[in-house]
Amino acid sequence: DADVTQTPRNRITKTGKRIMLECSQTKGHDRMYWYRQDPGLGLRLIYYSFDVKDINKGEISDGYSVSRQAQAKFSLSLESAIPNQTALYFCATSDGTSGYTDTQYFGPGTRLTVL
Amino acid sequence: GQNIDQPTEMTATEGAIVQINCTYQTSGFNGLFWYQQHAGEAPTFLSYNVLDGLEEKGRFSSFLSRSKGYSYLLLKELQMKDSASYLCAVRPRNNRLAFGKGNQVVVIP
Repeated sequence: DADVTQTPRNRITKTGKRIMLECSQTKGHDRMYWYRQDPGLGLRLIYYSFDVKDINKGEISDGYSVSRQAQAKFSLSLESAIPNQTALYFCATSDGTSGYTDTQYFGPGTRLTVL
Repeated sequence: GQNIDQPTEMTATEGAIVQINCTYQTSGFNGLFWYQQHAGEAPTFLSYNVLDGLEEKGRFSSFLSRSKGYSYLLLKELQMKDSASYLCAVRPRNNRLAFGKGNQVVVIP
């Protein structure tokens, strides 16, 4: 079984709709992250959480919100989707205990298309 | 902000050696990562460097020079399955990873 799972894997929606992307992990990691990837732009950090009570904005948080429901679950919401939010979204986790190494492990991604 | 620069694409022959470069300018430095990403799939961790020098892991090696803001990933004995994008990511002082745009490597027979 995969350590980091994302649902749904693909989603097509319309402008103005509310969308939730979910991430679950069985790695026992405290830290979780949401990134988006666009062609030619690389991975950009949206939000991150270092434990259940901690939420932090990344470089591109406008138009997004998150919820850390438990150590293992971190959800990303688009309150009112717009076409330029069409992208590949990745969740990642890290254990936060290995100093600066703190390697991040990525889920399989959610391909979101906003029409 | 952070600036991570990688060339966009290169083609190499099966069995050859390819070097992928990454230059960076960041606010502080707490390490550099290399990830491999096949098209449409998740990035997977390859290597981590925080001190100057070469780290070797099988067919893959990664080099870091902190004074030059430079790293490279060396792929030896190229295989078709090595066709992928290779992402350089730097951890600056704020500890939030900053990714480069990735370098697409195409391996041909």
